[in-house]
Amino acid sequence: EIVMTQSPATLSVSPGERATLSCRASQSVDSNLAWYQQKPGQAPRLLIYGASTRATGIPARFSGSGSGTEFTLTISSLQSADFALYYCQQYNNWPPLTFGGGTKVEIK
Amino acid sequence: EVQLVESGGGLVQPGRSLRLSCAASGFTFDGYAMHWVRQAPGKGLEWVSGISWNGVNIGYADSVKGRFTISRDNAKNSLYLQMNSLRAEDTALYYCARDLYSISFDAFDVWGQGTMVTVSS
Repeated sequence: EIVMTQSPATLSVSPGERATLSCRASQSVDSNLAWYQQKPGQAPRLLIYGASTRATGIPARFSGSGSGTEFTLTISSLQSADFALYYCQQYNNWPPLTFGGGTKVEIK
Repeated sequence: EVQLVESGGGLVQPGRSLRLSCAASGFTFDGYAMHWVRQAPGKGLEWVSGISWNGVNIGYADSVKGRFTISRDNAKNSLYLQMNSLRAEDTALYYCARDLYSISFDAFDVWGQGTMVTVSS
């Protein structure tokens, strides 16, 4: 099973600033990596797949990069709607599909 | 509108069974693989099971293998999860999710709102 590790667990950022979230895989997942956003009481929403492709309707301020074992989600200028939990997920080796433990982006 | 609506959750005693359903609408159901993903209260996301469009590819998390069975009825645009021998650690919100593609297991681009399963005596 591929273990996904996200850091930091919590990220405190001021509105308008850049946020950088990290995700590390225990072995290579090539570019088969997705990012999700989840707000309290809501289902997750797909942001990025293929490590860097934005899903339909996702604003350009969200970008993904990386391949192999190291990945980054960058939110270029945080807006109030962006304060949420973020998860990465690998789909290179399955079963199982595996998620990281999440990063909470909170208002500084 | 593309939509997934889960049902069938509830309170159940340990060792008993429950069957979850997911009704899909607004898209060609048999064009996509489908999955169940769960989230225990206050915890992260855990993939439970997935099934390809034609049922040929099926996978389970080790934590549910041998106890849960995923199935689908493309004629009814529905996904199911039969859960047997339930344990307290199965308590979670269960989401139905659509895969990006039809055969392989990938990312999930459409999610339902979830159905809560509570296993307790």
